[in-house]
Amino acid sequence: EVQLLESGGGLVQPGGSLTLSCAASGFSFSTYAMCWVRQAPAKGLEWVSCISGSGDYTFYADSVRGRFTISRDNSKNNVIVQMNILGVEDTAVYYCARRGGSGWGAFDYWGQGALVTVSS
Amino acid sequence: EIVLTQSPATLSLSPGERATLSCRASQSVGNYLAWYQQKPGQAPRLVIYDASKRATGIPARFSGSGSGTDFTLTISSLDPEDFAVYYCQQRDSWPLTFGQGTRLESK
Repeated sequence: EVQLLESGGGLVQPGGSLTLSCAASGFSFSTYAMCWVRQAPAKGLEWVSCISGSGDYTFYADSVRGRFTISRDNSKNNVIVQMNILGVEDTAVYYCARRGGSGWGAFDYWGQGALVTVSS
Repeated sequence: EIVLTQSPATLSLSPGERATLSCRASQSVGNYLAWYQQKPGQAPRLVIYDASKRATGIPARFSGSGSGTDFTLTISSLDPEDFAVYYCQQRDSWPLTFGQGTRLESK
């Protein structure tokens, strides 16, 4: 059974930093691209970042490029997003999601989400 | 950036009725369009990928159609568990984008 479990959410002050982790199990982790998708309170879904299965390729939304860094450890089956210079607009539930199919497919599995609140 | 526009914003129907949700892209995405279902307090769930392929475990009453810029998600006969928010999403080009969602509510 595919499982994705996020951790690391919490309250952080504006300008601060936070790291989210996603532990994956139930599939061959290194063969799948992994992504982060966020959802601000009462808002829609917003794609944040993706990383290839090998970790060689990374992609970012303009809203987070230069502030967020995605990485993965295929030996530990986890993917991490380091978030710096956080602003109130980054407040959201952050979902870890797997991209299915052969390469860069749709988001076929999602974690339960980690809440990040940026507030003073 | 490809903008996805979903309509209607809210759809009020009764169980047993047919639901038709629309997603229009600002430029062609080929067939690289997916639909997700999200219920309150839950993560999204993949329903349809590549415009017309049902995801694992999705009932046959869900179907997707379209290509290029115009796509439709159809639920042939609504079950009470189908009332939720539905999002479309394109994977044709970066950045990946979602539509704003259609809320399917029970009348």
